[in-house]
Amino acid sequence: DTGVSQNPRHKITKRGQNVTFRCDPISEHNRLYWYRQTLGQGPEFLTYFQNEAQLEKSRLLSDRFSAERPKGSFSTLEIQRTEQGDSAMYLCASSSIAGGTQYFGPGTRLLVL
Amino acid sequence: AQKITQTQPGMFVQEKEAVTLDCTYDTSDPSYGLFWYKQPSSGEMIFLIYQGSYDQQNATEGRYSLNFQKARKSANLVISASQLGDSAMYFCAMREGQRNNDMRFGAGTRLTVKP
Repeated sequence: DTGVSQNPRHKITKRGQNVTFRCDPISEHNRLYWYRQTLGQGPEFLTYFQNEAQLEKSRLLSDRFSAERPKGSFSTLEIQRTEQGDSAMYLCASSSIAGGTQYFGPGTRLLVL
Repeated sequence: AQKITQTQPGMFVQEKEAVTLDCTYDTSDPSYGLFWYKQPSSGEMIFLIYQGSYDQQNATEGRYSLNFQKARKSANLVISASQLGDSAMYFCAMREGQRNNDMRFGAGTRLTVKP
């Protein structure tokens, strides 16, 4: 399967703990995006990478959030000192060119207790 | 300001019939792209169809077609011959300009196909 993959699919954590999610994009795609989706809403853009460079970050991405794509392939999204408001679905997408269709992974559902 | 508006929180359709899901958008950029995604209960966003602002014809992909009315800034999704597996959330999204880093989504429409 050459689609976008995300791990873990589900994560339950206690408030104050750190969590890290991983995204593996479609192999030939050089652009990678992170979105957050809360219940009853559409996805909201968080950040995107072109190869290893993080080119844009949304204001939604607080200082507790950090994303990396060290080798221009997979990416990680870390949330430090989680809060209950961080509970959401975190979606990763990739595309091959600017303006191209973004293909999404299955998402990671985070629940902060 | 809301960029993408989906006014139908929920829609019902009888199996084998057609259904239209509404989407209106707001942009001053002459170059933009409009997308529809399907999200089943499993959570994955599945790309359905794309319409570019300069495309002269309405996009079609199998049972999906996009009714693009540029002057009205609407991009409605038409699903023909509905199937039970079409039951899901449907999201309209827009990318403005040549950038592909900030796709805005609507709030979605939950479609239920009745047997």
